[in-house]
Formats: sequence, C-alpha cells, structure tokens
Amino acid sequence: EAQVTQNPRYLITVTGKKLTVTCSQNMNHEYMSWYRQDPGLGLRQIYYSMNVEVTDKGDVPEGYKVSRKEKRNFPLILESPSPNQTSLYFCASSSPGQGALEQYFGPGTRLTVT
Amino acid sequence: GQNIDQPTEMTATEGAIVQINCTYQTSGFNGLFWYQQHAGEAPTFLSYNVLDGLEEKGRFSSFLSRSKGYSYLLLKELQMKDSASYLCAVPGTGRRALTFGSGTRLQVQP
Repeated sequence: EAQVTQNPRYLITVTGKKLTVTCSQNMNHEYMSWYRQDPGLGLRQIYYSMNVEVTDKGDVPEGYKVSRKEKRNFPLILESPSPNQTSLYFCASSSPGQGALEQYFGPGTRLTVT
Repeated sequence: GQNIDQPTEMTATEGAIVQINCTYQTSGFNGLFWYQQHAGEAPTFLSYNVLDGLEEKGRFSSFLSRSKGYSYLLLKELQMKDSASYLCAVPGTGRRALTFGSGTRLQVQP
C-alpha cells in the first residue's frame, strides 16, 4: 500500500530536549516536505527536499533541521524544542513525474512542548 | 510570493449545495489544488485545476479563473461526512511544495 508514515504520532516533551520525528514514504517520490499546522494559520511549510541531499527552507524553518540521506526518509529534527513549536506536524511527498505535484500526506504528529 | 484567501467558516444543510471560494495571488501560476481535511487528520487530495473552467468529479466540482485569480469548490448533495475543512493551495514559485490557505471549515447540519 502506497503511504507516508510518521513516528511518533503523539509526543509530549520538555523545553530543550532534542527530538526527531521520522517520515518515510514507499512511493519512490523525489519531493518531500514538512508542514506545521496551527489554528487560524493553516498549513505552513517548514522545509522541503527535492531529492537526496537536496533540502531548502520553507516559510517557517527557524528551530528546525532536516536531512535527506535516503530517498524514502526525511526526518525532522528539533535540536532544542520550545513551547512555540507545539503544533500538529505533517510530512508529505510527491513526484514531478505525476505532473500535478499532488501531495501525499502522512497521518500527522501532534507535538506538545512544555 | 503567494497569498491565498478563503472564508474561515461556512454552514450548510444536508442535501444542499455549497460553494467555497478561494482567491489567490501568485507570481507564477502552476495550478491550484483543493484538499479536504477532517479534524485531526491528514489532508486528502480533492482536485487540481490548471486551465480555466469547471472540472466535475462526482459530487465535487472545482472551478478556476486564472485572469481573476479565483477558484471555487462546489459540493452538491451535501452529506454529514462532508463536515471538514477545505484547503485551497498553490505551488510555490520555483519550489516543489504547496502554499496553503488557512482553510474553510464547513459544518453540515441536518
């Protein structure tokens, strides 16, 4: 089954404790992205990657890091989480070969930073 | 850059028709997407328009006018399960990800 998976689905952590949210897709997609979703602000792009070892900042990259060492994986790293990073996070993938840039979203990770 | 505007909330009655509007400003147009998102769940793809006009897909239709920077999503024969947020999105110029509007929360009432 074609899918995007994220782990963990729920996480409660404390300020400053480094964490990683994993994202994996099995569709051989070149493009992968991370978004955060906050009430009233909609989905905002954090980082995206066009292929292995190619990443770029989105609209709200501060406080986040990413890496793309393998095509299928695109982890999101919070080196020193802060309460303003409490949010719902979505990973997504797509392929230019599909023409329409349709994004396939993972199930989401709800992060709470206290 | 991109700017997308949608109404925040709408209410409609089961069995009725509702139109959700979206206006956008973008420096380079590469199509417009509509996604559906139920509360706490991932967005799911509904439609993609790159040419002017109406595209129909079952109970859902999407319209685009590039000259006016305007799109709408038309939902017919509303069902309770259509209660969700509807997100309008456009690809970012030179980037391979989407810029989303804040979404329109639709509540379908009996």
